[in-house]
Amino acid sequence: NAGVTQTPKFQVLKTGQSMTLQCAQDMNHNSMYWYRQDPGMGLRLIYYSASEGTTDKGEVPNGYNVSRLNKREFSLRLESAAPSQTSVYFCASSERYSLYYGYTFGSGTRLTVV
Amino acid sequence: TQLLEQSPQFLSIQEGENLTVYCNSSSVFSSLQWYRQEPGEGPVLLVTVVTGGEVKKLKRLTFQFGDARKDSSLHITAAQTGDTGLYLCAGAGNFNKFYFGSGTKLNVKP
Repeated sequence: NAGVTQTPKFQVLKTGQSMTLQCAQDMNHNSMYWYRQDPGMGLRLIYYSASEGTTDKGEVPNGYNVSRLNKREFSLRLESAAPSQTSVYFCASSERYSLYYGYTFGSGTRLTVV
Repeated sequence: TQLLEQSPQFLSIQEGENLTVYCNSSSVFSSLQWYRQEPGEGPVLLVTVVTGGEVKKLKRLTFQFGDARKDSSLHITAAQTGDTGLYLCAGAGNFNKFYFGSGTKLNVKP
């Protein structure tokens, strides 16, 4: 099925470890996003890529880096994980950088940092 | 700061009942969307509204965008257990910034 694929689905890290969350979409969308979801906080934007070759900070970028590898793939890297980064991470894509087009979300990565 | 406030936070009802959930802001949004999220999954887009006063219907779900484009409501008629989930609103504000509310968690009991 067409959509957004995220890997891994679950991950446990020790404080200070690094990891990369992978995201790929096969809908030929131009824009891609990384969100984190915490109880009572809603979805908060970490980074986004409005188009291939560009990336920009969102609301909560500290502690994260991203790479738009090509039009299909957008990865999120935690260089030195902290317990405050325990969360569910969602990748999303849209045809253009505009809420008119709607987002397609992946099924999420549940990350625990101990 | 939550630009979009959703209420109620939690709602538990019996199958067959009607319900309304709200999404409010002091800011004007150029467009607003509603999503439903089931446990362990990402949100799924239900509808986009762009015109003040706009009403859209999706089977038993009715969405309304406020005249001033600062608020929206979602009404479900004769709720079913399959409607259970987290309902999120998202708005497009100034400078093409998007904001999500924290959601209304709906539980429909058989």
